Amino acid sequence: NAGVTQTPKFQVLKTGQSMTLQCAQDMNHNSMYWYRQDPGMGLRLIYYSASEGTTDKGEVPNGYNVSRLNKREFSLRLESAAPSQTSVYFCASREDQGAEAFFGQGTRLTVV
Amino acid sequence: AQSVTQPDIHITVSEGASLELRCNYSYGATPYLFWYVQSPGQGLQLLLKYFSGDTLVQGIKGFEAEFKRSQSSFNLRKPSVHWSDAAEYFCAVYSGGGADGLTFGKGTHLIIQP
Repeated sequence: NAGVTQTPKFQVLKTGQSMTLQCAQDMNHNSMYWYRQDPGMGLRLIYYSASEGTTDKGEVPNGYNVSRLNKREFSLRLESAAPSQTSVYFCASREDQGAEAFFGQGTRLTVV
Repeated sequence: AQSVTQPDIHITVSEGASLELRCNYSYGATPYLFWYVQSPGQGLQLLLKYFSGDTLVQGIKGFEAEFKRSQSSFNLRKPSVHWSDAAEYFCAVYSGGGADGLTFGKGTHLIIQP
């Protein structure tokens, strides 16, 4: 049972480069989320998607775009990476309101 | 807006000693409450959750937490810690108003002394 799968696990980008972080879940969950984790800041919500075809901004959306490709997949795109986007990114999914979120293993991104 | 406070950034406990990690939330109604654990280089794993009912909830790995409405707290406890409990612990709250995500505290880093 794979749960939530993120790719890649590690990535180094140069300032100004673009990339897409991929996330897929096999639990048939409606809601999916992207968080970033920074030291001393906990996890902060970037974007979320309540269902296929819908997305909403979270706490820190600037510099990011998302796509809910289908029910399984939710991707996060950095169009022009900046050093401030160096972070660990987590994708999560949830079955319904109030249920716990299931997390992927994270993507460690460094922007130089 | 809801918020979560974990007052202790770091806690050091001797192996075999008891543990209590504090969590306070700010929200008008009773929210859904969670504790997650993150081992180094790993994702987050759910330890336990509170939605309603009995205010003392049991979780995995011997952890428990108690919801106290009067104190807006949801503290995590374990009677006797093991070296493998060394990790980062996050308290989280969900208001139940929609599909928006959980709000996390900034985490407590637990160090276990031999």
